[in-house]
Amino acid sequence: KQEVTQIPAALSVPEGENLVLNCSFTDSAIYNLQWFRQDPGKGLTSLLLIQSSQREQTSGRLNASLDKSSGRSTLYIAASQPGDSATYLCAVEETSGSRLTFGEGTQLTVNP
Amino acid sequence: GAVVSQHPSRVICKSGTSVKIECRSLDFQATTMFWYRQFPKQSLMLMATSNEGSKATYEQGVEKDKFLINHASLTLSTLTVTSAHPEDSSFYICSARGYPGPGNYGYTFGSGTRLTVV
Repeated sequence: KQEVTQIPAALSVPEGENLVLNCSFTDSAIYNLQWFRQDPGKGLTSLLLIQSSQREQTSGRLNASLDKSSGRSTLYIAASQPGDSATYLCAVEETSGSRLTFGEGTQLTVNP
Repeated sequence: GAVVSQHPSRVICKSGTSVKIECRSLDFQATTMFWYRQFPKQSLMLMATSNEGSKATYEQGVEKDKFLINHASLTLSTLTVTSAHPEDSSFYICSARGYPGPGNYGYTFGSGTRLTVV
């Protein structure tokens, strides 16, 4: 059974810092991995999706990497801003069209 | 980009009544819809998977007679919480994976419904 773990569970940083969120998964046979952002009381917003054949994806200040063989992904946020404060979730899709397995999330607070 | 519209965003109902939550895919065909439940400060828990025109597949421990899912069209799926009780109070979110829409781009989520049963 696939298990997804995110570290740290919570992170508080001053504005402007670069930071890394970690995600690990137990079964490396995945189809893709997706990072989401969730604001309090809201749904999920997709940030980046990495196909299993890819190593990384970038969007603006966000960069996500994937090392499938070791079962790890990182989300790098450059020059963090207070507006980045949210919960970040990673999720793996094991086969095309299958369910997503989510990590518990990292709650990020960026202080002005 | 792909959008899933979920309504209502908030609902308060009396114990024993039923509540219907709708999710519509606005610019793609959602062949598969996933329904999740989320408790405070916890991650998403998959409740059921529905494919258009067929019966939903429920996760272990989820009562199918209590959480009725209908996916009668490629753009609309509904979750009805029947005979709601206070313990059903939670945040419910739908997610769609369509073809050829966002299927190659991952999943799109609705904005969620906060259900409070009093």
